Parts: sequence; structure tokens; C-alpha cells
Amino acid sequence: AQSVAQPEDQVNVAEGNPLTVKCTYSVSGNPYLFWYVQYPNRGLQFLLKYITGDNLVKGSYGFEAEFNKSQTSFHLKKPSALVSDSALYFCAVRDIGGGGNKLTFGTGTQLKVEL
Amino acid sequence: DTGVSQNPRHKITKRGQNVTFRCDPISEHNRLYWYRQTLGQGPEFLTYFQNEAQLEKSRLLSDRFSAERPKGSFSTLEIQRTEQGDSAMYLCASSLVGGPTEAFFGQGTRLTVV
Repeated sequence: AQSVAQPEDQVNVAEGNPLTVKCTYSVSGNPYLFWYVQYPNRGLQFLLKYITGDNLVKGSYGFEAEFNKSQTSFHLKKPSALVSDSALYFCAVRDIGGGGNKLTFGTGTQLKVEL
Repeated sequence: DTGVSQNPRHKITKRGQNVTFRCDPISEHNRLYWYRQTLGQGPEFLTYFQNEAQLEKSRLLSDRFSAERPKGSFSTLEIQRTEQGDSAMYLCASSLVGGPTEAFFGQGTRLTVV
């Protein structure tokens, strides 16, 4: 079975500083990995994905993520955080066995960016 | 097309009542998914359709839950004899076979069972 772990319930960072939100995964084959963001009482917005190729993927709003196969990680990063980045972030892995793009999500990390 | 649309956005119901939610996917998307999200948790897969065929159902989807996608376009999720444990955000997502691998989510329907 596929699984995702987000070890931090909350990450606090000052505006202008770099941010990292951690994610590790477990799959039987090659992973398809995703990051989504959720604002209060809203659905999920797609940020970025890793399918194959370059280990550093760039996404929306200046976010990027680094795929590390040996460490089975896919950490989300941003060089300079904004207060407006404060939200709930979910890492997800595609369930390869399902064959239908079904996603398995982590429990989420609340990002708080302060002035 | 402005994305995945879900109705209603909020639903409060008494325990034991039936409720039905609707999802309209992005128009050209042939895959449609339902997820449930409870407070403090990530979304959990419930079921998905490819066109009108329901191809997979999670063990989370008890006999009280039923989903349909009769013409391969919109979908409905019905919960019969609601229980307080059904209180959650119900999320719908869609994607395109052969297209981008990511799924696009609607804003969800928040169900409160009192």
C-alpha cells in the first residue's frame, strides 16, 4: 500500500525567510508525487508534481519541490515566504496499483508565515 | 469552464436523514473522484468513475453511501440514514485520461449531522 508522512503538524516561518515543508513517501514502484494547498473552508489547489525527469520541480506561486529517491522524500520549498502563503499543505502520492490517479494524502502541515 | 463545481457548499442535517451532493467536473474530464476529509486529516479516497463506470470503491464507503455518474458527466453522492460520524468535508475531483496526471478539486461540501 502507498503512504505519505508529513512529520510536522505546523511550520512557522518569518516573512522573507525560506520555508520547507517535509514529506516522505512509501510506494512499491515509482512514485507520482504531488503537493496541494488548502485555504480555510476551501478545496485543494494543485501546486506541483513530480512524475519523472528532473528532481527539482517548480510549481505555482514560486514553490518548488525536490524529489530524493534514496531518502524517499519530496520536500516543498520556497526561497522567500509570504504571509499569504499561510495555509494547509498536503503531500500526496499516486496509488499506482489503482491505475486511476487515485491519490493517498498525508495528514497535512499548517504553514504560518508571520511578519 | 471555471473548474470543478460542488453543490451545496454546506449542508446541515438531522441524524437519520438522507442527503445528496452533486459534483460537476471540468467538462472534458472523464475521471471523477470523491474524497472525504475530516478535521485534522488529509482527504481519504471514497470512489472514482471513469465515464459512467464506477471502477473502484474504498472500504470507507459503507452500504449507506452510494455514488452515481449516470451520463458520464455530473455525479451525485448520497448518504442514507446519516450518522454524526458522517460529518466531514466531501470533496470531488476530476482528471483527464491521457492528460495531465493531477486531479483538480472542487471547493467541497461541508456536511454537519446534528
